Amino acid sequence: KQEVTQIPAALSVPEGENLVLNCSFTDSAIYNLQWFRQDPGKGLTSLLLIQSSQREQTSGRLNASLDKSSGRSTLYIAASQPGDSATYLCAVLFSGNTPLVFGKGTRLSVIA
Amino acid sequence: DVKVTQSSRYLVKRTGEKVFLECVQDMDHENMFWYRQDPGLGLRLIYFSYDVKMKEKGDIPEGYSVSREKKERFSLILESASTNQTSMYLCASSPTSLEDNEQFFGPGTRLTVL
Repeated sequence: KQEVTQIPAALSVPEGENLVLNCSFTDSAIYNLQWFRQDPGKGLTSLLLIQSSQREQTSGRLNASLDKSSGRSTLYIAASQPGDSATYLCAVLFSGNTPLVFGKGTRLSVIA
Repeated sequence: DVKVTQSSRYLVKRTGEKVFLECVQDMDHENMFWYRQDPGLGLRLIYFSYDVKMKEKGDIPEGYSVSREKKERFSLILESASTNQTSMYLCASSPTSLEDNEQFFGPGTRLTVL
């Protein structure tokens, strides 16, 4: 079964720290991987989309990497701020005609 | 910017009522999805559609149906609402192209069934 796992489920860091969120997936045959942010009670906001042919994508203080062979992706957040506090979800589009498979997310708290 | 809108942010219904949740996207996306999200269970796919008048069951279709009469609109129907359908419902859309099929979500509908 194709699965996406995010560990840890929750993370708390002091403001200003650089941090890494992890995502692992069970099958290296993927089309792409997408990172989302979700604030409490809101919908998901797309942060970054990495195609299978790419190794990383950057947007502002965010950098996402992809290592298909090991089934891993990381989301790096530089100089974290309290406004970064949210749940971050990873989702994988596996090869084959199937919808995105989501991890359960990492709940990030950045403490001022 | 891609915009996915949902008809209501909050909805309160009675057990046994028929409930319609509407989703509209303005980017001409072929694919549309309905999820529910519950604490500890994550996002679960209810139904999805890859084209007008097409629908596919997701992981938890029981108690739900969908309608896609127009490309931009995807409706989720609870035929007879039950308390265990109290949840956050999220709609999403994406293009078919594998080179650029970023998925976008609506703001969600918090449904409470009493």
